[in-house]
Amino acid sequence: EAHLVESGGGLVQPGGSLRLSCAVSGFTFRSFAMSWVRQAPGKGPEYVSAISADGATTYYADSVKGRFTISRDNSENALFLQMNGLRADDTAVYFCARSDFGFYDYWGQGTLVTVSS
Amino acid sequence: EIVLTQSPGTLSLSPGERATLSCRASQTLTTTFFAWYQQKPGQAPRLLIHGVSNRATGVPDRFSGSGSGTDFTLTINRLEPEDFAVYYCQQYDTSPKTFGQGTKVEIK
Repeated sequence: EAHLVESGGGLVQPGGSLRLSCAVSGFTFRSFAMSWVRQAPGKGPEYVSAISADGATTYYADSVKGRFTISRDNSENALFLQMNGLRADDTAVYFCARSDFGFYDYWGQGTLVTVSS
Repeated sequence: EIVLTQSPGTLSLSPGERATLSCRASQTLTTTFFAWYQQKPGQAPRLLIHGVSNRATGVPDRFSGSGSGTDFTLTINRLEPEDFAVYYCQQYDTSPKTFGQGTKVEIK
């Protein structure tokens, strides 16, 4: 059974940085594309970033391009999101999810990122 | 970007009734790359339907999806107590992938 566990969220001031991690087990991590999806309070989910199975190709929503960097370590079954230049509108629960086919079939429980002074 | 508009915002129904949820896309989808998710409070979204009408593993057959072009529907036959939740549609036809704003199915 797939198991995804995010960590690294917290309270950060505007302009600050955070690094999110997602530990994955239960499937062959290195064979699947992965994504980060966020959900602001009371809103629908929003695609943030995706990475190919081998890590060679990355994709970003326009809203985070140039500020966020997605990466993965296939030897450690781990996914990461480095977030710099954080803004108040980045406040959300951040989920990692398997996204090999375009839809998201396995999700973590999420980690809350709050950007506030 | 394709905007997905879900209706109604809230659906008040009793257990055993049928729920019909709609999702309209701002542009025509040329593929069947369309999905539905269920979300309960404090939980991650759960994939229900992908490819417009394909149930995900373990999803009961009272859930069904249909549609094409700009109009898509999720039908839940004979609502069970555990089906009361928020439902989101998602298109993965065109980048960026986008979600609707959700329909809440609540107990009447």
